[in-house]
Amino acid sequence: ETGVTQSPTHLIKTRGQQVTLRCSSQSGHNTVSWYQQALGQGPQFIFQYYREEENGRGNFPPRFSGLQFPNYSSELNVNALELDDSALYLCASSLDLSYGYTFGSGTRLTVV
Amino acid sequence: KNEVEQSPQNLTAQEGEFITINCSYSVGISALHWLQQHPGGGIVSLFMLSSGKKKHGRLIATINIQEKHSSLHITASHPRDSAVYICAVRESGSARQLTFGSGTQLTVLP
Repeated sequence: ETGVTQSPTHLIKTRGQQVTLRCSSQSGHNTVSWYQQALGQGPQFIFQYYREEENGRGNFPPRFSGLQFPNYSSELNVNALELDDSALYLCASSLDLSYGYTFGSGTRLTVV
Repeated sequence: KNEVEQSPQNLTAQEGEFITINCSYSVGISALHWLQQHPGGGIVSLFMLSSGKKKHGRLIATINIQEKHSSLHITASHPRDSAVYICAVRESGSARQLTFGSGTQLTVLP
């Protein structure tokens, strides 16, 4: 097992810019979900991909978008960055409803 | 009102004490997760529960589906247990995403 790998670990962007965060799923996992965690709060669900299709979305605007690739790795894209987008972005992969989740260590995004 | 509520928000204990963290939820669920988050952000999955009780080392997790309540217990606490403990639920019939509580910051003093 390789676990879930996220890149980059830290990132600083300017308001209005665009950013792409990457997640490599644990081997064999076909589902990836993304979460935003503001400082001092619990993670909030952004969206989820299953076999390359989005199959769930939280209360985030369309400027948050994503992709899942045939190897089940995933990207989170955020356009027109705002200061409030500063947060820890977590990726989690899973195999099935019967199984738990494996989380990555997150990408810390700071928007200035 | 949040769908997942944890208490307490902050907890300080002396090494060796028995610790309990509580989680209440307001929706029907198919599973409940207890997670541990260390400074720097990485999350480790401790337990996934749909009924009853699970034990792993000094950690015990219980769930009462009828009362919509779960507890995480730590026996013989140690400073290395200091972390944020998060309860998360997967709603019945939903896609596989989790709804998280805001976490309990545990500090165990030597």
